[in-house]
Amino acid sequence: DAGVTQSPTHLIKTRGQQVTLRCSPISGHKSVSWYQQVLGQGPQFIFQYYEKEERGRGNFPDRFSARQFPNYSSELNVNALLLGDSALYLCASSLQRDRRTSYGYTFGSGTRLTVV
Amino acid sequence: AQKVTQAQTEISVVEKEDVTLDCVYETRDTTYYLFWYKQPPSGELVFLIRRNSFDEQNEISGRYSWNFQKSTSSFNFTITASQVVDSAVYFCALSDWSEKLVFGKGTKLTVNP
Repeated sequence: DAGVTQSPTHLIKTRGQQVTLRCSPISGHKSVSWYQQVLGQGPQFIFQYYEKEERGRGNFPDRFSARQFPNYSSELNVNALLLGDSALYLCASSLQRDRRTSYGYTFGSGTRLTVV
Repeated sequence: AQKVTQAQTEISVVEKEDVTLDCVYETRDTTYYLFWYKQPPSGELVFLIRRNSFDEQNEISGRYSWNFQKSTSSFNFTITASQVVDSAVYFCALSDWSEKLVFGKGTKLTVNP
């Protein structure tokens, strides 16, 4: 079975531009989350989606948005890019079905975004 | 608020040495989950273990073992007889039922031949 797949793997953008990152979860996984990992730090939670609804949002500006599609794939959009948005963006999927149990996440290899 | 502290920024050992990576967490939840992930240079976070707050049994998986102690809010990870392939950054993480993971800053482990 395929794991969590993310595209593109690398991306270079200019300040002020917009970017869309894509994620396909493991088959059967309905929960998808996005994390930002700045060099030398642990990943920071950005968004969580379950069954196409936003279930959680981290402390990120409104320039960051996301959505989940009927096939449970997801996109992360970042507008008006800043140099500080340069990071590894990780997508993760989970088997979570209800609000009572955590199953843990399987992560993709990430998209490395460089803003110049 | 939840918090994870990995006080060891970098550890360097020689192959076959045992090494313990420390993790201390803070949470007000009574039900929570603890995780360890490995991040090799390729960048992907590799899941190692998940523990819930009601299960304080230590676990061993091959050369890996985990010591969960609620009394000290710690969830330490030991690699026995380390190998060069164990070189990576290791992250401890904490979540409640929501699965929003709170990560520590990571410990970079270098195993030298």
